[in-house]
Amino acid sequence: QSALTQPPSASGSPGQSVTISCTGTSSDVGGYNYVSWYQQHPGKAPKLMIYDVSKRPSGVPDRFSGSKSGNTASLTVSGLQAEDEADYYCSSYAGSNKFVFGSGTKVTVL
Amino acid sequence: EVQLVESGGGLVQPGGSLRLSCAASGFTFSSYWMYWVRQAPGKGLVWVSRINTDGTSTTYADSVKGRFTISRDNAKNTLYLQMNSLTAEDTALYYCARDFRYSAYHWGQGTLVTVSS
Repeated sequence: QSALTQPPSASGSPGQSVTISCTGTSSDVGGYNYVSWYQQHPGKAPKLMIYDVSKRPSGVPDRFSGSKSGNTASLTVSGLQAEDEADYYCSSYAGSNKFVFGSGTKVTVL
Repeated sequence: EVQLVESGGGLVQPGGSLRLSCAASGFTFSSYWMYWVRQAPGKGLVWVSRINTDGTSTTYADSVKGRFTISRDNAKNTLYLQMNSLTAEDTALYYCARDFRYSAYHWGQGTLVTVSS
């Protein structure tokens, strides 16, 4: 159960877009459409931002979008705002009722 | 409003045991899978364990299999994590979370477990 691979950091200016990748294998990301993304501010619990690859829970701004191609999933944050500065983690179902998280990406709003 | 409140964390010596609890409210607890997820200080999220709605099916990360046991009491709306043979590598903030389509939709605030002599 190796962690999914994410870039350690990403950044953008207010109003710009930033895309975070999440690379796994055919046994997790590539094998199921159960990729989710979480936002975590310092000292806070994670918050679900995307589930089922591209669906947004109620209350999550449509500036957040998800996609997947092969073994790589992506989260795009459009129209960056100061409050989007946080750590972001992907997660995937990995079969046999097991799950795996990504290594995490720190997003900085310049 | 969905609430998940973890408790039971603390300082324990290597080789020791601890039982974490997660009290759930605001939803029909018995209808949802539940998870434990941990986060070592300054590190990323790690999935630990999952349990189905009636407690008859459980799964674990390889790193805790054979040492940790997840369980639930649907009458008490409470999730548990029994942790045995603890090592320093188990030091982390432990979150319980409620499932929604193979994602962790609602999270508690976590309970800190520190394994140290």
